[in-house]
Amino acid sequence: EAGVVQSPRYKIIEKKQPVAFWCNPISGHNTLYWYRQNLGQGPELLIRYENEEAVDDSQLPKDRFSAERLKGVDSTLKIQPAELGDSAVYLCASSLEARMSPLHFGNGTRLTVT
Amino acid sequence: DAKTTQPPSMDCAEGRAANLPCNHSTISGNEYVYWYRQIHSQGPQYIIHGLKNNETNEMASLIITEDRKSSTLILPHATLRDTAVYYCIVRGRYNAGKSTFGDGTTLTVKP
Repeated sequence: EAGVVQSPRYKIIEKKQPVAFWCNPISGHNTLYWYRQNLGQGPELLIRYENEEAVDDSQLPKDRFSAERLKGVDSTLKIQPAELGDSAVYLCASSLEARMSPLHFGNGTRLTVT
Repeated sequence: DAKTTQPPSMDCAEGRAANLPCNHSTISGNEYVYWYRQIHSQGPQYIIHGLKNNETNEMASLIITEDRKSSTLILPHATLRDTAVYYCIVRGRYNAGKSTFGDGTTLTVKP
């Protein structure tokens, strides 16, 4: 099966600019996650979707971050405006259902804010 | 959520077994132990998970202590390609999305 696909792979922007990341989960996976991973640290959950509903966005900085999952398939994570501290790898993962299925991760988007 | 504690780094000789420990002393009865690994510039990859019985698959074995407060991931014959960061997390029916990865163990397999 095709894995989780993320794009772009790398993104370099200046601070205060907007940026968007795209994720295509594994077909049939109804649960989708966005994580942020800082250098040398483990991934931190930003938001979790079950189908098209955001069921956990408590860790999403809502003043500048937004996410959507249209039709319960692809998802987009946006930052506007970006700050220097947003430089990180943004990972998308999907699973068959939230509770016990293993997460399948994409290879992430490495964001550098200058 | 139950948190996990792992050593920051370990070395292993190529061809030998790599035993990676994880402490999860606050694990609750409905929480599973999951292991993932992350090779440089890639996303984390699922390895194995278990509740209380030992588990084995083509990648690794998972040994969970009887009191479930700790576990060990075993790579029976480590290769250079097993060099990665290994994460142990606990995940249950009611907190599936809140699993905390921590900083993991960096395993270096040496020739």
